[in-house]
Amino acid sequence: KQEVTQIPAALSVPEGENLVLNCSFTDSAIYNLQWFRQDPGKGLTSLLLIQSSQREQTSGRLNASLDKSSGRSTLYIAASQPGDSATYLCAVPFNTDKLIFGTGTRLQVFP
Amino acid sequence: NAGVTQTPKFQVLKTGQSMTLQCAQDMNHEYMSWYRQDPGMGLRLIHYSVGAGITDQGEVPNGYNVSRSTTEDFPLRLLSAAPSQTSVYFCASSPTGDGYGYTFGSGTRLTVV
Repeated sequence: KQEVTQIPAALSVPEGENLVLNCSFTDSAIYNLQWFRQDPGKGLTSLLLIQSSQREQTSGRLNASLDKSSGRSTLYIAASQPGDSATYLCAVPFNTDKLIFGTGTRLQVFP
Repeated sequence: NAGVTQTPKFQVLKTGQSMTLQCAQDMNHEYMSWYRQDPGMGLRLIHYSVGAGITDQGEVPNGYNVSRSTTEDFPLRLLSAAPSQTSVYFCASSPTGDGYGYTFGSGTRLTVV
């Protein structure tokens, strides 16, 4: 059974800091890994999807890396801003027909 | 706007009552799924469907029923509501189930008293 965990559960930082969010998964036979953002009271928005053949993916100030052999992914946020405050979730597909989500990291960036 | 529409946004039920959470998508996606989100537990899969007429159980299916009579709609039924079903429910759709192109609804916040 695939299990996905995220550390830390919550993070509060001042504006401008560089951040690393961690995601671990138990079954390394994954097709891809995806990072989502969730704003309070809203649904999830996909940020980055890393295919199993890739080691990293970048979008603006976000960079996600994937190490299948160690069962880990990191989401790096450069020069954090208050608008980055949200919950970040990682997810991996299981059996090709569903997503398994991590427990999430709640990020607060204060001015 | 194209996307996933969930109704209602908020609902309060009494223990033992039944209700249906509605989910509709207009993107012609084959895959649809229901998740519940509880504090500290991420999103857990309740039921999912890989196409019209096909449904299957996820991680936490007890107390819920689903059906998929059309590609567009995937309602979630609570048969006899219990306080343990107090949660935020999300519906999602995707062209395939393997992570690509997932679109989420904005959620239904359900309280069972």
